[in-house]
Amino acid sequence: GQQVMQIPQYQHVQEGEDFTTYCNSSTTLSNIQWYKQRPGGHPVFLIQLVKSGEVKKQKRLTFQFGEAKKNSSLHITATQTTDVGTYFCAGTNAGGTSYGKLTFGQGTILTVHP
Amino acid sequence: GAVVSQHPSWVICKSGTSVKIECRSLDFQATTMFWYRQFPKQSLMLMATSNEGSKATYEQGVEKDKFLINHASLTLSTLTVTSAHPEDSSFYICSAEAQGRETQYFGPGTRLLVL
Repeated sequence: GQQVMQIPQYQHVQEGEDFTTYCNSSTTLSNIQWYKQRPGGHPVFLIQLVKSGEVKKQKRLTFQFGEAKKNSSLHITATQTTDVGTYFCAGTNAGGTSYGKLTFGQGTILTVHP
Repeated sequence: GAVVSQHPSWVICKSGTSVKIECRSLDFQATTMFWYRQFPKQSLMLMATSNEGSKATYEQGVEKDKFLINHASLTLSTLTVTSAHPEDSSFYICSAEAQGRETQYFGPGTRLLVL
């Protein structure tokens, strides 16, 4: 079945440093979504990427979707303490039996030291 | 828009009892709802996909007789954990998908503790 791998599992940064998490799928994706989950909270939708090679920005966050639609990344510039949380990527398979379902990566836990 | 509620937000129960969790889409009609389970420091694992008016589709390894799902209307899906045991203690999260859209909107989750 479809697998979505996400690295790193943990990332500790000093406030102001940049942060990147990477996501790789074993199959071609229809789209990829990114979520943020604060400690004790639930996943909150950040963005969806659909097109091959797509790049989207949200303030300090930059999201990329690979040309082959099998990998993605989230980059945060100049992290702040409010960025703390777990970032998940989630992919929708382009076809096959798991079409339409979201498969989540393992998540990257980001901690930011002030 | 696109608000999903879940009730209860947390529940503590004795082993052997059944617990019902409700998931509601408040401002849109959800043709499909999903139920996930998340253990501490782990990712979300899809349990089942629920379509309004039809039987839920369960993921491999999820017991359909233990986790009963009902999607009676376009705004409500329920998950009942039957004969709960301590190993069922987890964070259960639902999500709802509007017709024609691929974005899932998540509920706030229900923390279940089985003693």
